[in-house]
Amino acid sequence: DAGVIQSPRHEVTEMGQEVTLRCKPISGHDYLFWYRQTMMRGLELLIYFNNNVPIDDSGMPEDRFSAKMPNASFSTLKIQPSEPRDSAVYFCASSSAREAKLYHGYTFGSGTRLTVV
Amino acid sequence: GQQLNQSPQSMFIQEGEDVSMNCTSSSIFNTWLWYKQDPGEGPVLLIALYKAGELTSNGRLTAQFGITRKDSFLNISASIPSDVGIYFCAGATYSGGGADGLTFGKGTHLIIQP
Repeated sequence: DAGVIQSPRHEVTEMGQEVTLRCKPISGHDYLFWYRQTMMRGLELLIYFNNNVPIDDSGMPEDRFSAKMPNASFSTLKIQPSEPRDSAVYFCASSSAREAKLYHGYTFGSGTRLTVV
Repeated sequence: GQQLNQSPQSMFIQEGEDVSMNCTSSSIFNTWLWYKQDPGEGPVLLIALYKAGELTSNGRLTAQFGITRKDSFLNISASIPSDVGIYFCAGATYSGGGADGLTFGKGTHLIIQP
């Protein structure tokens, strides 16, 4: 299995531009999580999906952030318009219900390092 | 919201030394996990703990789930260069439905001096 695949690995954009981060979860996993990592705040849960349905988006910072999961193999996190304070590493993670209950074995992608200038 | 206090923030040790780090919470978790993150990669699960008082080992790693369910520690024995990285504790609570988002500590940066 290729694991959780995120793209792009690095993104540099200008303030005000739209940014779209992409994630392909592990095949067969029915949970997908988006996390943001910064030096100041550490790893923060932004939103998670179960069977493509958003379950908890209370961690999404503000309306500029949106996430979608149109099918079981793809999710996007969009920031529009982007701001310098959005600079961070964004991680996608996936899990199956059984794994999550028994082992909490979330598998993380390698992350997207976003820099907004 | 829930917060995890992880300490120390960083550790500078000599190869071969033992390492100890811990995590405390203001609220109860029913699962504690320890992850390691290498540079440029996502966190990888090291150890999972499910019962208060549980002591679990994985090679040179040992972790314990505190009796109060508000704390956990991770020990690494006889450190080696590949142990360098950031170690995160994470807690989870279940409402019986299924998966839940994890709450992470801020991490412990482990640096090994030759």
